Amino acid sequence: DVKVTQSSRYLVKRTGEKVFLECVQDMDHENMFWYRQDPGLGLRLIYFSYDVKMKEKGDIPEGYSVSREKKERFSLILESASTNQTSMYLCASSFLTPSGKSYEQYFGPGTRLTVT
Amino acid sequence: AQKITQTQPGMFVQEKEAVTLDCTYDTSDQSYGLFWYKQPSSGEMIFLIYQGSYDEQNATEGRYSLNFQKARKSANLVISASQLGDSAMYFCAMREDIAGGTSYGKLTFGQGTILTVHP
Repeated sequence: DVKVTQSSRYLVKRTGEKVFLECVQDMDHENMFWYRQDPGLGLRLIYFSYDVKMKEKGDIPEGYSVSREKKERFSLILESASTNQTSMYLCASSFLTPSGKSYEQYFGPGTRLTVT
Repeated sequence: AQKITQTQPGMFVQEKEAVTLDCTYDTSDQSYGLFWYKQPSSGEMIFLIYQGSYDEQNATEGRYSLNFQKARKSANLVISASQLGDSAMYFCAMREDIAGGTSYGKLTFGQGTILTVHP
């Protein structure tokens, strides 16, 4: 079974702190994604990566950065946490077929971040 | 413009009955994929079913089927014989494929529908 793990289930941070959310997948997937989930808004893509050291902005990248130094690990960084970044953060991964298609994403359990 | 629309914030169904969760999408691409995910109260996202835009048959996976109407741009999820364990949030999502390239599997999600199954 594909396993995607996230470093914390719950996290409480103070405004202005630098926050690291870690995600690790064990299936050698090329693609990795970070989403945030807010009530009534569904999941919104923050950043994604299709290879080591490669990253692309998603729909809401402001206030976030990412790092992918190894294929299995994708980190989301909040440079200076703010209260409007209080949310559920979900990491996902998927593999890329030789034809360049990607199918289902496998999700981690999520990190509920509260910024006070 | 919203690319994925789920117009039902909440739905109720009696145990053992069938229920349809609505999803409409907007794309000008010819090649795309449609997904449904289930999110129980525990929070994990569970993949349920996939439909490719070129697939001629509606996708089915056990009690789940996807009613794909391409001309109407709808991809409704049908759950047959509902069970109490089906109570969860359900998300519809779309992958758009870039002509001559790859979308890297990016998904756009709808707002979700909360399904409650009554005994």
